[in-house]
Amino acid sequence: DVKVTQSSRYLVKRTGEKVFLECVQDMDHENMFWYRQDPGLGLRLIYFSYDVKMKEKGDIPEGYSVSREKKERFSLILESASTNQTSMYLCASFHRTGGGNEQFFGPGTRLTVL
Amino acid sequence: GQNIDQPTEMTATEGAIVQINCTYQTSGFNGLFWYQQHAGEAPTFLSYNVLDGLEEKGRFSSFLSRSKGYSYLLLKELQMKDSASYLCAVRALNTGFQKLVFGTGTRLLVSP
Repeated sequence: DVKVTQSSRYLVKRTGEKVFLECVQDMDHENMFWYRQDPGLGLRLIYFSYDVKMKEKGDIPEGYSVSREKKERFSLILESASTNQTSMYLCASFHRTGGGNEQFFGPGTRLTVL
Repeated sequence: GQNIDQPTEMTATEGAIVQINCTYQTSGFNGLFWYQQHAGEAPTFLSYNVLDGLEEKGRFSSFLSRSKGYSYLLLKELQMKDSASYLCAVRALNTGFQKLVFGTGTRLLVSP
């Protein structure tokens, strides 16, 4: 079974804190993605990575950065958390060639910034 | 750019059939996905269409018309556990790397 795990299910942080969200997949997928999901707005892509040390901005990268030092791990970083970053964060991975066509999602991290 | 539209909410009765529509406008279309998402959980893959026509998988079927920019998800013999959000997503080729663009989702409420 494909497995995508995220470091925390629930996280509460204070405004201005640096926040790390970790995602690990065990299927040797090249592509990894970070989304946020908000009511009425759906899933929006923050950043994605197609290989180790490679990254591309998604649709809403402002206020975020990412790190992909190892193939299995993709980290999302909030340099200085703000209340408008309170959201559900979902990580996903996808195999570039061969295999299935779908993205596999982690369980999500619900982040609250106070 | 990409634009995906689907109804916000639908209601149906247990045992019935429901059709959830999705229309899209995108450049570099390379497939349409349907995901199911129960409240508080991650989306799970339901179906994938890249060619025109109907794909059937048990109680769920998905249809695609590329010329019309249109897809639907058909759920038969509805069960209470089918109450969830259904997300339509389009894959678009973007400088050689593949991204999914999601609609806002359709919340389906199944009543007894």
